Amino acid sequence: GENVEQHPSTLSVQEGDSAVIKCTYSDSASNYFPWYKQELGKRPQLIIDIRSNVGEKKDQRIAVTLNKTAKHFSLHITETQPEDSAVYFCAASISGNTGKLIFGQGTTLQVKP
Amino acid sequence: EPEVTQTPSHQVTQMGQEVILRCVPISNHLYFYWYRQILGQKVEFLVSFYNNEISEKSEIFDDQFSVERPDGSNFTLKIRSTKLEDSAMYFCASNMGQNNEQFFGPGTRLTVL
Repeated sequence: GENVEQHPSTLSVQEGDSAVIKCTYSDSASNYFPWYKQELGKRPQLIIDIRSNVGEKKDQRIAVTLNKTAKHFSLHITETQPEDSAVYFCAASISGNTGKLIFGQGTTLQVKP
Repeated sequence: EPEVTQTPSHQVTQMGQEVILRCVPISNHLYFYWYRQILGQKVEFLVSFYNNEISEKSEIFDDQFSVERPDGSNFTLKIRSTKLEDSAMYFCASNMGQNNEQFFGPGTRLTVL
């Protein structure tokens, strides 16, 4: 069935360093890939998303890359700040389907000041 | 900015009791979803709802679960006879189209004793 694998499960970086989180998906029909940030006890919030017709998308310090052939996509955060500390979830969805999101297991990012 | 709202924020119930979790999606959204998140785990899809009917449901969404849009604003999840393993955070989400950003509510923490 559909599956999304996410690595690493935890990531600790120094403030100012970059952080990279990687996901792979199983269903080659997937074509929408959002990333959500979830702070402790709060709702998931979309930080960036990418569709399969592009290979990379950037929004200030955040970028996402997509490799359709390898079926993986990655989140890159540059110049990390303590407020970036949270759990990050990748997800995948199939266009024209019901819109359900299949989430990865999550990455707990800790940015040390 | 419009937000998805959910009530109650926390629900404690005895095993075997029925619970109804309530959501008010963003007013011009057409697609509605329920997800759950067991503590410390990933977000899992339960059900999607469009045009007043279920469009897809997961294996988790068995006969004990039902959804309803009783009026033009509310979207409810009912668990008929709760089990201990139903304890989780339940998130409602909505969006304009299947592959547009899904906006999540703040969640209802369900505790089954």
